Amino acid sequence: SSELTQDPAVSVALGQTVRITCQGDSLRSYYASWYQQKPGQAPLLVLYGKNIRPSGIPDRFSGSGSGNTASLAITGAQAEDEADYYCNSRDSSGIHLEVFGGGTKLTVL
Amino acid sequence: EVQLVESGGGLIKPGGSLRLSCAVSGFTFSNAWMTWVRQAPGKGLEWVGRIKSRTEGGTTDYAAPVKGRFTISRDDSQNTLYLQMNSLKTEDTAVYYCTATLDYGVYKYWGQGTLVTVSS
Repeated sequence: SSELTQDPAVSVALGQTVRITCQGDSLRSYYASWYQQKPGQAPLLVLYGKNIRPSGIPDRFSGSGSGNTASLAITGAQAEDEADYYCNSRDSSGIHLEVFGGGTKLTVL
Repeated sequence: EVQLVESGGGLIKPGGSLRLSCAVSGFTFSNAWMTWVRQAPGKGLEWVGRIKSRTEGGTTDYAAPVKGRFTISRDDSQNTLYLQMNSLKTEDTAVYYCTATLDYGVYKYWGQGTLVTVSS
C-alpha cells in the first residue's frame, strides 16, 4: 500500500504529553518526516530522519518509530502547538515517490 | 534569508494549461532538490513531484494523479523552479507550494503558495 494513515483528530490538555501516530508499510524501511501547519500558513518541518529537529523547533517535539508506525510526541503541549500535523515518507509502491498522511488536527485544551 | 516565491496561479478552464514559477533566493539553488506539494481547499497535503539537482541527474518523479500531465523543470541560471500543468482537471484545484528538499520527504523551506482554480 502507498498510504500513510493518521488519526483525523487528537486532543491534549495544556502541559500534557500527546503522541500523534502515522502508519504505513513504507515506515518499516524509511523514516517519516513531520510537518506542522497552522491556518493560513505554509507547512513547517518539525522533525525528520532519526529524531532530527530543524533549528528553531522546540525540544518538546520528538519522534520515534516501531514496525510500520512512526510517532510524533509533544511533551508539555503548549497552546501554540494547536495545528494540523502531517507525516510524510517514501511511497512503498515506488521508492522514488513520496506520500503524505491524511493529517491530524491537534487541539490543545 | 531564504525565500521561495511562487507565481502563476489563477483561474483556468478544465483542459487548459498553466505554468507556475518559484523564484528562489538565500541558498544555492543549483545544489537543491526541489519539490512541489499541493493542498486542495480544506484538504490535506499532497505530494506532486520532485526534481533532483543537475549534479544528481536532474531526474524527475511524479505522483500518479499528475504523471503525464505535469512537468517539473528548473533554470539554475535564474534560480527558478517551474511546474508546467497541462490537461488540467477540476480536481487539480489547490494551493501549490514549492519546497527546497533536503532528502526524500524532507522539505526544509516552503514558499507561501499560489492558488490554482480549475473551473468552467
